[in-house]
Amino acid sequence: QKEVEQDPGPLSVPEGAIVSLNCTYSNSAFQYFMWYRQYSRKGPELLMYTYSSGNKEDGRFTAQVDKSSKYISLFIRDSQPSDSATYLCAMSLSSGSARQLTFGSGTQLTVLP
Amino acid sequence: SAVISQKPSRDICQRGTSLTIQCQVDSQVTMMFWYRQQPGQSLTLIATANQGSEATYESGFVIDKFPISRPNLTFSTLTVSNLSPEDSSIYLCSAVTGIDAKNIQYFGAGTRLSVL
Repeated sequence: QKEVEQDPGPLSVPEGAIVSLNCTYSNSAFQYFMWYRQYSRKGPELLMYTYSSGNKEDGRFTAQVDKSSKYISLFIRDSQPSDSATYLCAMSLSSGSARQLTFGSGTQLTVLP
Repeated sequence: SAVISQKPSRDICQRGTSLTIQCQVDSQVTMMFWYRQQPGQSLTLIATANQGSEATYESGFVIDKFPISRPNLTFSTLTVSNLSPEDSSIYLCSAVTGIDAKNIQYFGAGTRLSVL
């Protein structure tokens, strides 16, 4: 079993739809949770960063962390064609190796105009 | 944030040769990492590049195959040695700037390697 599981998709939605992307994990020691966006032929760029449980909102993006269920989500409201990319969840431990990230496999999203 | 320049952006190499990838960060960093991303797969950590000392390799990766140098705080190289078609992948450099307490990793655009 992988430490971090993420549905690879592909996911295709119409413009304006609400998108929900999810990851589950098995290591309860993870404390830092991130979502990266990776456009084709580009490196991952940090989209959202959350520490421990709770919600965080940034514009059209909302990140949720439920540590009791070991489940994290990224919601995209009013999705745009420019949101078409692969979304990677990532997480790290509470100390020491906090800078090392464990990634999900990524979900490929296409937003159709 | 940090800007990470990686080169070459892509290369096609013959079996048995080696490729060295360079990674330059525009600000001082606390840690640098090298990842591999195979087609349709997630990022797999190869090693942590340590300044002035040997890199710390993850399970399944060895120094003879992936020698890494980091002569200063802002520069590192990864060499993929004795290339085989199985090494065809995207190699990514990342860095943690330590500017804030979040230890956010920033990534280069990657090097796309094809081995014939």
